[in-house]
Amino acid sequence: QSVLTQPPSASGTPGQRVIISCSGSSSNIGDNYVDWYQQLPGTAPKLLIYNTNQRPSGVPDRFSGSKSGTSASLAISGLQSEDEADYYCASWDDTLNGSYVFGTGTKVSVL
Amino acid sequence: QVHLVQSGAEVKKPGASVKVSCEASGYTFTDYYIHWVRQAPGQGLEWMGWLNPDSGATNYAQKFQGRVSMTRDTSISTGYMELSRLRSDDTAVYYCARAPYTNYVYLDYWGQGTLVTVSS
Repeated sequence: QSVLTQPPSASGTPGQRVIISCSGSSSNIGDNYVDWYQQLPGTAPKLLIYNTNQRPSGVPDRFSGSKSGTSASLAISGLQSEDEADYYCASWDDTLNGSYVFGTGTKVSVL
Repeated sequence: QVHLVQSGAEVKKPGASVKVSCEASGYTFTDYYIHWVRQAPGQGLEWMGWLNPDSGATNYAQKFQGRVSMTRDTSISTGYMELSRLRSDDTAVYYCARAPYTNYVYLDYWGQGTLVTVSS
């Protein structure tokens, strides 16, 4: 169902750097910005990165986004226990009438 | 501060319809799109479409066209998502979210979610 592919899981110890990938195509990531959302257990998603590499007010600079071609990445530096959550990438897809597509999601665990 | 408050959980039978509301506060309702996203139990996020509260224009994901309707009542700053001909696989948490009027979509504030259970 999801057109953006993410690894199902990622993990690290406190203080480590974790990188989550998001693979798409020319109709979505290749031609549009990428957004990232963090979903803590039992809560609504929260915007983490928008327009590929912009952080909303209040989001720590430990979180950063980038894009190359049809793939994007979210990096979490200085991993903290409260970063344990599901992370989703998203992008507009230009096919048909257009749609906002989400990634398959990555569960980040802090060991 | 911005808040999107959704209506409470619903239990519906297959074939029925459900209407979920999303009341906005802390900003001018007609200055931002309202998007709807759903999440089946243990699954990822799925975009359903958007509503322009100012004009009433809508854009629905192809999967839901013919079955979904997004409307609004600007007098009470509330958006609505109605899904008809419900099936068991429509069981999910439904979220509304706000998006700025820009050329690029991003959802900057989300409602708390509404669980819709479809069961006979």
